[in-house]
Amino acid sequence: AQKITQTQPGMFVQEKEAVTLDCTYDTSDQSYGLFWYKQPSSGEMIFLIYQGSYDEQNATEGRYSLNFQKARKSANLVISASQLGDSAMYFCAMRELYSGGGADGLTFGKGTHLIIQP
Amino acid sequence: NAGVMQNPRHLVRRRGQEARLRCSPMKGHSHVYWYRQLPEEGLKFMVYLQKENIIDESGMPKERFSAEFPKEGPSILRIQQVVRGDSAAYFCASSPRLEANEQFFGPGTRLTVL
Repeated sequence: AQKITQTQPGMFVQEKEAVTLDCTYDTSDQSYGLFWYKQPSSGEMIFLIYQGSYDEQNATEGRYSLNFQKARKSANLVISASQLGDSAMYFCAMRELYSGGGADGLTFGKGTHLIIQP
Repeated sequence: NAGVMQNPRHLVRRRGQEARLRCSPMKGHSHVYWYRQLPEEGLKFMVYLQKENIIDESGMPKERFSAEFPKEGPSILRIQQVVRGDSAAYFCASSPRLEANEQFFGPGTRLTVL
């Protein structure tokens, strides 16, 4: 069974500072994918970044980077130069990838509510 | 290229009524996933469908809930005899192929049971 743990229910950060959102995961599979999604107050789920378990480099997408530490089973999201528009819920998720190429649904953490202060 | 469409965006039902939630995946996507988000919680996987097939329904409640993805038309999540505990946001996501990394989410349907 998969499990995602996000230990920070809420965070307040000053605008322009960097932010690290914690995520640890538990799985017995060797092949899996890790995801981060943003959910603003409007409710939609916005894909931010993906990391495969076999990817050697940490994923980056603009101001987002994923600090992947496989041995520690952590996949923290780093947001550089935070902006007011970054205020939202952030969810870490994972999916096991079967050797045959199949994949099931995502397992989500409970989320971190990030508030950027001016 | 339109994104994942869900309708209605908001649905109000009285206890005992039926709720039908629709999801049209992105063009060219044949894999659909349904998730439920209870207040103050993360999303919970419910069911994974391909055209005319249910692949994984391990997250679906055993009673009152059903899902389909017909050859033509949207995917439907059906909740019979709704109860107050069914009040939640229901999200649909689609992906183009089995090994795709990303799932594209729709805007969600917020179900309120009175």
